[in-house]
Amino acid sequence: QQPVQSPQAVILREGEDAVINCSSSKALYSVHWYRQKHGEAPVFLMILLKGGEQKGHEKISASFNEKKQQSSLYLTASQLSYSGTYFCGTGGNTGFQKLVFGTGTRLLVSP
Amino acid sequence: ETGVTQTPRHLVMGMTNKKSLKCEQHLGHNAMYWYKQSAKKPLELMFVYNFKEQTENNSVPSRFSPECPNSSHLFLHLHTLQPEDSALYLCASSQGGGRQGTNEKLFFGSGTQLSVL
Repeated sequence: QQPVQSPQAVILREGEDAVINCSSSKALYSVHWYRQKHGEAPVFLMILLKGGEQKGHEKISASFNEKKQQSSLYLTASQLSYSGTYFCGTGGNTGFQKLVFGTGTRLLVSP
Repeated sequence: ETGVTQTPRHLVMGMTNKKSLKCEQHLGHNAMYWYKQSAKKPLELMFVYNFKEQTENNSVPSRFSPECPNSSHLFLHLHTLQPEDSALYLCASSQGGGRQGTNEKLFFGSGTQLSVL
């Protein structure tokens, strides 16, 4: 039931772009994206709610495709600070506050 | 700083020990959570408290016992743990207050890295 993230890991050079996908086998009501650096707390990036909107946060944006039950996180002109593990969390319309998280995508941005 | 503080940062305990993890949030939130993060596994929700009331127990073994004395503090009491319980335990909070759906952003603490010997 957990969402599937792809790729599992990606290495970028500074300035390059990346896309991280999050796919669910269940109908989605919301998708959360978080980034966790080693030894630190996961940090909230954005929430996308049912409606297919695209949101942005600095040079990081995301889309939500209801039909495909999928969300994608777009990182453009990556910076060294983008390195970390990215998690998506998916929620249905029932099950208050019960997010189900994916296994994460490890991103390394090198100079 | 996320406004959620967890102590201790690291804990090593034997299988017969009793210990407690503490979480405190300074954000004025009403909902608090315990998550378990194991290597190569997704974040697993353990417990949810909303206005001090437990609203979710995700089939967690009874050797884990949560306590929420008020909306700012959350404890996880541990006893007779198993080596497979070794993991990073994360506390989180959100606005809470009875909203439906999963549209509240979570604020996480840095976690307690637990090792059970």
